[in-house]
Amino acid sequence: EIVMTQSPATLSVSPGERATLSCRASQSVSSNLAWYQQKPDQAPRLLIYGASTRATGIPARFSGSGSGTEFTLTISSLQSEDFAVYYCQQYDNWPRTFGQGTKVEVK
Amino acid sequence: EVQLLESGGGLVQPGGSLRLSCAASGFTFSNYAMSWVRQAPGKGLEWVSGISDSGGSTYYADSVKGRFTISRENSKNTLYLQMNSLRAEDTAVYYCGKGVYSYDSTADYWGQGTLVTVSS
Repeated sequence: EIVMTQSPATLSVSPGERATLSCRASQSVSSNLAWYQQKPDQAPRLLIYGASTRATGIPARFSGSGSGTEFTLTISSLQSEDFAVYYCQQYDNWPRTFGQGTKVEVK
Repeated sequence: EVQLLESGGGLVQPGGSLRLSCAASGFTFSNYAMSWVRQAPGKGLEWVSGISDSGGSTYYADSVKGRFTISRENSKNTLYLQMNSLRAEDTAVYYCGKGVYSYDSTADYWGQGTLVTVSS
């Protein structure tokens, strides 16, 4: 099973600032990597798939990069609605696996 | 508009069974893989199972293999998860997801979830 490790566990950021979230895979997943956003009591929302392709309706301030084992989600200028938990997921191998999440909170 | 509506959750005793359903609308159901993900109270996301567009290929997390069965009925635009031999650790909100592709990959839309509680 591929283990996905996200860092940091919690990121404190002021509105308008840039946020950089990391995700590391225990073995190469090529570009088969997705990022999700989840707010309390809501379903996950797909942000990025294919490591860097924004999903439908996702604002341009969200961008993904990386391949192989190292991936980054960048939120260029945090808006109030962006404070949430973010998960990465690999879909290169079965079982599909998620990282443990990064909580982005208001500084 | 893509809509996914899960049902079938509830309280069940350890060792019992439940069948979850996911009614899909707003897209051509038979063209896309589908999956189930769960989230235990206060915990992160856990992938449970996936199925290809035709239903010919199915995949499971080790934690549920041999106990859960994923299936689909394309004529009814419905996804299922049959859960047997339930354990306390299966307690979670279960979400169904629409795949990005016809083969199992990741999901671009999720339902609002159905809560399964396994307790005596």
